[in-house]
Amino acid sequence: EAGVVQSPRYKIIEKKQPVAFWCNPISGHNTLYWYLQNLGQGPELLIRYENEEAVDDSQLPKDRFSAERLKGVDSTLKIQPAELGDSAVYLCASSLEGGLQFFGPGTRLTVL
Amino acid sequence: GIQVEQSPPDLILQEGANSTLRCNFSDSVNNLQWFHQNPWGQLINLFYIPSGTKQNGRLSATTVATERYSLLYISSSQTTDSGVYFCAVGASWGKLQFGAGTQVVVTP
Repeated sequence: EAGVVQSPRYKIIEKKQPVAFWCNPISGHNTLYWYLQNLGQGPELLIRYENEEAVDDSQLPKDRFSAERLKGVDSTLKIQPAELGDSAVYLCASSLEGGLQFFGPGTRLTVL
Repeated sequence: GIQVEQSPPDLILQEGANSTLRCNFSDSVNNLQWFHQNPWGQLINLFYIPSGTKQNGRLSATTVATERYSLLYISSSQTTDSGVYFCAVGASWGKLQFGAGTQVVVTP
């Protein structure tokens, strides 16, 4: 069984540029999460989807971050415009009915 | 939100040694998971253990929910055990609060 797939694995951009991350969850998992992990810290939840619905986006900085999960499968997280402080690892996870979470390899973003 | 404290923050072990990692949390939880983040950044589930004791090979975990702590035991450590160990808790399914992690280095 394939795990959570994320792309790209690495991204380097200049500040003020837009960037997008893509996640494909484990087949059959209806719950999808986006986390932000800063160096030396644990992951922090940005947004959680149940199928197509964002049920918890309280930690998503909505002025520059947006996310979507069309058709309740793949998801995209976007930042526009990126700031220096957005440099971090962006993790996607999925679970069945909000249960055990399985994580993808992450996208390491560097904003110059 | 729930506060999660992990100790120690760093641990250096010689191969073959045993160790105990601790996770304290500030409120009642019905979801507690231990993860290992390998040096390549991949987070791997180790245990789902909101209460009780579980064992998987050289790893075992115990959660005492009434006293709001969980312990992860590593026995006969190997270099492949290196990485960061995270405790994550939640008051409900689907919402996990992670601790800051324990960085473990196992030397040959």
